[in-house]
Amino acid sequence: NAGVMQNPRHLVRRRGQEARLRCSPMKGHSHVYWYRQLPEEGLKFMVYLQKENIIDESGMPKERFSAEFPKEGPSILRIQQVVRGDSAAYFCASSPRRWQGTSNEQFFGPGTRLTVL
Amino acid sequence: KNEVEQSPQNLTAQEGEFITINCSYSVGISALHWLQQHPGGGIVSLFMLSSGKKKHGRLIATINIQEKHSSLHITASHPRDSAVYICAVEGSNYKLTFGKGTLLTVNP
Repeated sequence: NAGVMQNPRHLVRRRGQEARLRCSPMKGHSHVYWYRQLPEEGLKFMVYLQKENIIDESGMPKERFSAEFPKEGPSILRIQQVVRGDSAAYFCASSPRRWQGTSNEQFFGPGTRLTVL
Repeated sequence: KNEVEQSPQNLTAQEGEFITINCSYSVGISALHWLQQHPGGGIVSLFMLSSGKKKHGRLIATINIQEKHSSLHITASHPRDSAVYICAVEGSNYKLTFGKGTLLTVNP
């Protein structure tokens, strides 16, 4: 049973280009979370998705960032017109279906290190 | 004031020592998570707890909901335990809010 997979592991982009980060959740998991870890800072929540739905995107920057989790295929975090300040490690995590009022352990992927030149 | 405070920020120990890392939070939570992050590496979930105490091998996590405090203990520490340990609290909206982490170095 493969864990959470992210690709690419390392991504280099020049300012103004687009970055696409992919996350395949663990088998049977229908919830995906994206987190960002800026250099020398802690992890910050970005967005929480279920299949075909964005549940909470309160941590996403208002511009240039978008996320999706289609019915088929991986979850995608897309950053348009990247700037140097976007350089960070982006982690996704997945969890199985939630029942109302319960918490679930989140399983993290290895992360994508984005470097913007 | 951050919602999640960890102490200490840095901790150096000798192999075999008993380690304690503390986490205090200021909001109501549905669960608290302890995570481990190795340098340049990924993140591993160690514990998720909402009350009492959990134990996995040499790791023990406790939580006191009334005092809004949790501790992570490592017994018989080993150099391979060297990592950043992160406390995260989960609110009713399922979002995780993270502490800044504790960098643990265990010397042989």
